[in-house]
Amino acid sequence: EVQLLESGGGLVQPGGSLRLSCAASGFTFSSYAMNWVRQAPGKGLEWVSAISASGGSTYHADSVKGRFTTSRDNSKNTLYLQMNSLRAEDTAVYYCAKDGSSWPNNAFDPWGQGSLVTVSS
Amino acid sequence: QSALTQPASVSGSPGQSITISCTGTSNDVGGYNYVSWYQQHPGKAPKLMIFDVSSRPSGVSNRFSGSKSDHTASLTISGLQAEDEAYYYCSSYTSSSTLVVFGGGTKLTVL
Repeated sequence: EVQLLESGGGLVQPGGSLRLSCAASGFTFSSYAMNWVRQAPGKGLEWVSAISASGGSTYHADSVKGRFTTSRDNSKNTLYLQMNSLRAEDTAVYYCAKDGSSWPNNAFDPWGQGSLVTVSS
Repeated sequence: QSALTQPASVSGSPGQSITISCTGTSNDVGGYNYVSWYQQHPGKAPKLMIFDVSSRPSGVSNRFSGSKSDHTASLTISGLQAEDEAYYYCSSYTSSSTLVVFGGGTKLTVL
């Protein structure tokens, strides 16, 4: 069974940093692109970032570009999201999601259970 | 303001069919066949229902179908069931600096 388990969320002050992790199991992690998608409280889904299977290519939404970095360790079957210079508007549940191929192609399946990040003083 | 436009809500009675639209531009829905639809129940993670405009993942009921015409994608649910009541989001590949865009979501109410 394919499983994704996020961790690392919590309360952080504006301007602070946080690193989310997503541990994958049940599939060949190194063969698939991965994504981060977030959902602010009571709001819709917002794509945050994608990374190719090899980790050689990354893509980020304009809203997080320059502040967030996406990486992966295929030897540990783990995806990361390093979040710096956090703002109140970054408050959301962050989901990791497996893509449908080695290159991002917008077929996110499955999704993890989500990790809540709250940015507040 | 979301990049893709969806109706805020739709409703239907059990057994009926409903269609949810998702309107974009030539830079996203109209330009690529990488359109997906997700179902989200309250407090749960989203679930992929349709990808590549009209393909269904294994395990998704054939009551769910997708299509596209010009810049508008559509999700049709036939034979509505109570368990279909949820939020539905469309998403598309985009040629903009943001790789993927989502619609604002549609709340489906089964009357």
